[in-house]
Amino acid sequence: AQSVAQPEDQVNVAEGNPLTVKCTYSVSGNPYLFWYVQYPNRGLQFLLKYITGDNLVKGSYGFEAEFNKSQTSFHLKKPSALVSDSALYFCAVRVVNSGNTPLVFGKGTRLSVIA
Amino acid sequence: DVKVTQSSRYLVKRTGEKVFLECVQDMDHENMFWYRQDPGLGLRLIYFSYDVKMKEKGDIPEGYSVSREKKERFSLILESASTNQTSMYLCASSSQTGTASGNTIYFGEGSWLTVV
Repeated sequence: AQSVAQPEDQVNVAEGNPLTVKCTYSVSGNPYLFWYVQYPNRGLQFLLKYITGDNLVKGSYGFEAEFNKSQTSFHLKKPSALVSDSALYFCAVRVVNSGNTPLVFGKGTRLSVIA
Repeated sequence: DVKVTQSSRYLVKRTGEKVFLECVQDMDHENMFWYRQDPGLGLRLIYFSYDVKMKEKGDIPEGYSVSREKKERFSLILESASTNQTSMYLCASSSQTGTASGNTIYFGEGSWLTVV
């Protein structure tokens, strides 16, 4: 069975500071990993994904994430947070070669960037 | 850009009413999904579809049904709405081409349903 854990419900960071939103996963096999962002009263927007290759993945809005197979983690990072980054962030996983099976999402982490 | 359109952003319905939530995507995607989002529970999959007239149950199908008569349209139906179905409903789609399991899922803007 696949599962995703986002251990922090809420992350607070000062504007200009680096931010990290944590994600760990559990799958039988190799994973494809995704990050989505949700702004208030909106749908989810795709940020980035790890498919294969370089463990450091760069995505939209200056975000990046590092795939760490030994720690089964895929933490989302940004070097300098903006107030506009305040949103709900979801990590998701799907097993490689699992065809069209749906993504499994974490419960989400609310990021609050304080000016 | 991929566009997934949910025709109703905000609905208020009465208990026992039949409710239709419509979703249309414009990228010729084979896969379509309906999720429900509730605070503290994240996203939960209700139903999904791999092809026209095909449907698969997700994690919480009870109280819901779906219809996929055309490739671009996936409807969620609440046969008899109840107050515990008050929630945000999200439609999504993805392609089967290429590495299907690595394909991105694209979401609509969501439909807020309140059942009173």
